Amino acid sequence: GIQVEQSPPDLILQEGANSTLRCNFSDSVNNLQWFHQNPWGQLINLFYIPSGTKQNGRLSATTVATERYSLLYISSSQTTDSGVYFCAVDSGTYKYIFGTGTRLKVLA
Amino acid sequence: DGGITQSPKYLFRKEGQNVTLSCEQNLNHDAMYWYRQDPGQGLRLIYYSQIVNDFQKGDIAEGYSVSREKKESFPLTVTSAQKNPTAFYLCASNTPTWTSGNTIYFGEGSWLTVV
Repeated sequence: GIQVEQSPPDLILQEGANSTLRCNFSDSVNNLQWFHQNPWGQLINLFYIPSGTKQNGRLSATTVATERYSLLYISSSQTTDSGVYFCAVDSGTYKYIFGTGTRLKVLA
Repeated sequence: DGGITQSPKYLFRKEGQNVTLSCEQNLNHDAMYWYRQDPGQGLRLIYYSQIVNDFQKGDIAEGYSVSREKKESFPLTVTSAQKNPTAFYLCASNTPTWTSGNTIYFGEGSWLTVV
């Protein structure tokens, strides 16, 4: 099956800093999503982005499907950005496979 | 408001007991899913259902059972055969389409602890 790797596994930032999170996947995918899991466990949709680039406020994401990776950019980070960021991919089988996540802590 | 409702939020189970976690959605989604998350880990797929009265095993189905009698509901039973059931359980749903994509939405999760 598809393997999903995320890097870095852990990240500590000072408030206001920018960061880039990476998601590599081992095979072609039809769908890719980025999620933020808050400290209470809730998974929040950030982007549905099987290819191309999208932006939403301070967050943006780019997926290069031909090279099998996706990037999530966080600009001007805030303490509320803390949590775990997951990417998940689906090859068209209805089975989203999750990466192990990047744990982000933003310090005030 | 539309969404996915999971209950209970917290559940304690004695060893040897079966427990059922509820998942209800009013998003009119066709597909529903159950994932398990262990502390500090990613999500692993337990079962999924693409349509009423049909479901398939995910990667870690042993010790779990599901039913899909209604489009809105996809309950998960954690049986006594599941040797290490203490975890966070997440229900999700979506309606894959060629035009709108395959965005998946999650409930708030249920914490199960074996005592």
